[in-house]
Amino acid sequence: DVVMTQSPLSLPVTLGQPASISCRSSQSLVKSDGNTYLNWFQQRPGQSPRRLIYKISNRDSGVPDRFSGSGSGTDFTLKISRVEAEDVGLYYCMQGTHWPWTFGQGTKVEIK
Amino acid sequence: EVQLVESGGGLVQPGGSLRLSCAASGFTFPKTWMSWVRQAPGKGLEWVANINDDEKEKYYVDSVKGRFAISRDNANNLLYLQMNRVGVEDTAVYYCARSASPGAVDDWGQGTLVTVSS
Repeated sequence: DVVMTQSPLSLPVTLGQPASISCRSSQSLVKSDGNTYLNWFQQRPGQSPRRLIYKISNRDSGVPDRFSGSGSGTDFTLKISRVEAEDVGLYYCMQGTHWPWTFGQGTKVEIK
Repeated sequence: EVQLVESGGGLVQPGGSLRLSCAASGFTFPKTWMSWVRQAPGKGLEWVANINDDEKEKYYVDSVKGRFAISRDNANNLLYLQMNRVGVEDTAVYYCARSASPGAVDDWGQGTLVTVSS
């Protein structure tokens, strides 16, 4: 199975400051169709997860543009340009290239 | 608006069975891949199973193979997860999810809690 490793696991940030989460996969996520199925999800406290980003860098409808995704192959990053209070929660990367689909351990974003 | 409403969770004894249901609306369910994802209390997300639109393709995480079965009723926009021979390690919130985009989970339900305990 593809192992997804996130870092850091805990990320205290100051309001208005940037934040960055890394996600590394144990093998390339480039599928035979040429696409890379790397997704990012946000889970606010007490809520269901919500997808933010799909295929590395495509932002979902309604997701603020302060969220951005980048990377390739086995190395990916989610960036928040200026953290707001509503961004507190858990963030997960997930690969959908190889069966079984696998998630990272999650990164907890909190306000300092 | 996509809506996914799970039901069927509850307390079940180890070795027992349970069937989860998910009522879907707001999209063309019969043409959409669907997923189940679970989250143990205080833990991260774990993908459990996927099913394609005509039930010819089904995929499972190794830990549930042979015990869980994903199925669907396209006439009534329902997704199911039959859980057999459950163990304490299956205790989790189970989310129904729409996987319309390849390699992705697009939308999530609110989840249903399954507790395996004697």
